Amino acid sequence: DQQVKQNSPSLSVQEGRISILNCDYTNSMFDYFLWYKKYPAEGPTFLISISSIKDKNEDGRFTVFLNKSAKHLSLHIVPSQPGDSAVYFCAASDEDSSYKLIFGSGTRLLVRP
Amino acid sequence: DVKVTQSSRYLVKRTGEKVFLECVQDMDHENMFWYRQDPGLGLRLIYFSYDVKMKEKGDIPEGYSVSREKKERFSLILESASTNQTSMYLCASSSSAGYYNEQFFGPGTRLTVL
Repeated sequence: DQQVKQNSPSLSVQEGRISILNCDYTNSMFDYFLWYKKYPAEGPTFLISISSIKDKNEDGRFTVFLNKSAKHLSLHIVPSQPGDSAVYFCAASDEDSSYKLIFGSGTRLLVRP
Repeated sequence: DVKVTQSSRYLVKRTGEKVFLECVQDMDHENMFWYRQDPGLGLRLIYFSYDVKMKEKGDIPEGYSVSREKKERFSLILESASTNQTSMYLCASSSSAGYYNEQFFGPGTRLTVL
């Protein structure tokens, strides 16, 4: 049973437009969420995170929104650039095992020039 | 800058062989992890270690074992490789300092078992 779900395996957007990647979770004990970005033949790299005490966190072109009641988070990239083309993983951790992350299945983003 | 290195980028082995995947981190992190990444399944945790000589099973430990004799090194062992262990293997490390701990990943080892 997947506790962290990314239901869209792929997303294609035009350069300059907004990319919205979605993630749903089932475990109400999750209290910290992260997004990782992965290029082919490289390991994932940390992008942005959010604690459950917040509903938004922004870092440059990247913003993560958290809706705890819906158990949903989303990553917004504005404006999208071709270099953003990668696989994006959502991950979550809970208070009892804060060093352990549960990952979603990933969404492949393609930003078209 | 945290650096996590893995001994091989690509590896081809035969069914039944014993396979060692090595991971080294240079940031004195307490926690180390082994994942496998498969299409449509994301990253699945195989084993993790929160201290030297300590290990815990992750979600898919069957067919794997690990060794952590030194703080900076975490090895994944496939005792008898099988074709269903063909995958991308990713090592990660994190600090226990603080409450929420970002994991830093190595470049991965693409293992093919024939």
